[in-house]
Amino acid sequence: DAGITQSPRHKVTETGTPVTLRCHQTENHRYMYWYRQDPGHGLRLIHYSYGVKDTDKGEVSDGYSVSRSKTEDFLLTLESATSSQTSVYFCAISESGLGNEQFFGPGTRLTVL
Amino acid sequence: AQTVTQSQPEMSVQEAETVTLSCTYDTSESDYYLFWYKQPPSRQMILVIRQEAYKQQNATENRFSVNFQKAAKSFSLKISDSQLGDAAMYFCAYGGANSKLTFGKGITLSVRP
Repeated sequence: DAGITQSPRHKVTETGTPVTLRCHQTENHRYMYWYRQDPGHGLRLIHYSYGVKDTDKGEVSDGYSVSRSKTEDFLLTLESATSSQTSVYFCAISESGLGNEQFFGPGTRLTVL
Repeated sequence: AQTVTQSQPEMSVQEAETVTLSCTYDTSESDYYLFWYKQPPSRQMILVIRQEAYKQQNATENRFSVNFQKAAKSFSLKISDSQLGDAAMYFCAYGGANSKLTFGKGITLSVRP
């Protein structure tokens, strides 16, 4: 299995509080991704990174920011959590771009009350 | 923008029988990849099979095979000799030049003993 961990695995927070989710990889893969999974929507890309300090927006980036200061870590921040951000969040990594398999982390279940 | 459509939200198959999960996509790119991912109740995303668009031969992986119809933009997954462990949600995904994956909404497959 690809070495990807996510922390925390579960989190309950209140509306308006900041939240940071961490993705850590030991594979030295260049690309890292953050998705959210919601019933009836499949997985939707929030942000992704194609190298240290290189990030770009995905399909549902509003309300989220990311940072990647090291190859192995990709952080997702909800500056002010809202109930609509209650979801399961997955991190994924890929060695390169086109055609390469994305390996997924175990997911983080976030509940915003 | 690329889109991926999985029109059937649920399917059921008898153990040891064959089932086909459908997927269609829309793109203007000529070079791309298609994937099927499996998500069992553990929530872990697992790659089932991958197809390169430039290859005419359909990909196969043991009991899993695809029917790739490039002109029709169709990419169905066939599971032969279905097993109880095949019960999961299955996602079709498109990977294009921008190194991102676009997922369908998924289909829940149940296997009847």
